[in-house]
Amino acid sequence: GENVEQHPSTLSVQEGDSAVIKCTYSDSASNYFPWYKQELGKRPQLIIDIRSNVGEKKDQRIAVTLNKTAKHFSLHITETQPEDSAVYFCAASIRGGTGTASKLTFGTGTRLQVTL
Amino acid sequence: GAVVSQHPSWVICKSGTSVKIECRSLDFQATTMFWYRQFPKQSLMLMATSNEGSKATYEQGVEKDKFLINHASLTLSTLTVTSAHPEDSSFYICSARDLGAGNPIQYFGAGTRLSVL
Repeated sequence: GENVEQHPSTLSVQEGDSAVIKCTYSDSASNYFPWYKQELGKRPQLIIDIRSNVGEKKDQRIAVTLNKTAKHFSLHITETQPEDSAVYFCAASIRGGTGTASKLTFGTGTRLQVTL
Repeated sequence: GAVVSQHPSWVICKSGTSVKIECRSLDFQATTMFWYRQFPKQSLMLMATSNEGSKATYEQGVEKDKFLINHASLTLSTLTVTSAHPEDSSFYICSARDLGAGNPIQYFGAGTRLSVL
């Protein structure tokens, strides 16, 4: 089955700096890669996702890049703010057709701390 | 976006009792829901895929007789932890995908923290 590795496990940056989190996946059939943010005791919230037919996607301060050949994808957060502090999870799945829902395999998570 | 409601948010029970957790899609129909378990400071581990009107698909190592899943309607899936023991204490989270929306996004419930005494 799919295996997703995520690095680093913890990341501390100063407010205003950029943060980068990297993930690799093993199954070349995976074609959907979401990123979730989870605050302590809360539900994971989707922050951005990318599909395999796209190399990069950006949404304001957040961007995700995908390298299908190398089977890795990365989350980039620019101009970090204290409220960005949370645990971030990458995930991979094989997106099925209409009427099917494929399971997500999650990375191990990155605890991001944005300091003042 | 789509809303997934999970209840209860917190439950404390005695060892040997059973606990039922509900997961509802409030504004969409979900033929498939997913149940995860999350230990402190760890990732989400998929336990099983809940399919409306059919048997759940369990991940390797998950005891299906221990974790009973029922998905009787397009908006409700339940997870019952049977004969709970302290090692079952964990954070359980469900998710659902709005297949009608044409995208693969999974929406998560707020989770249930189970403490078994």
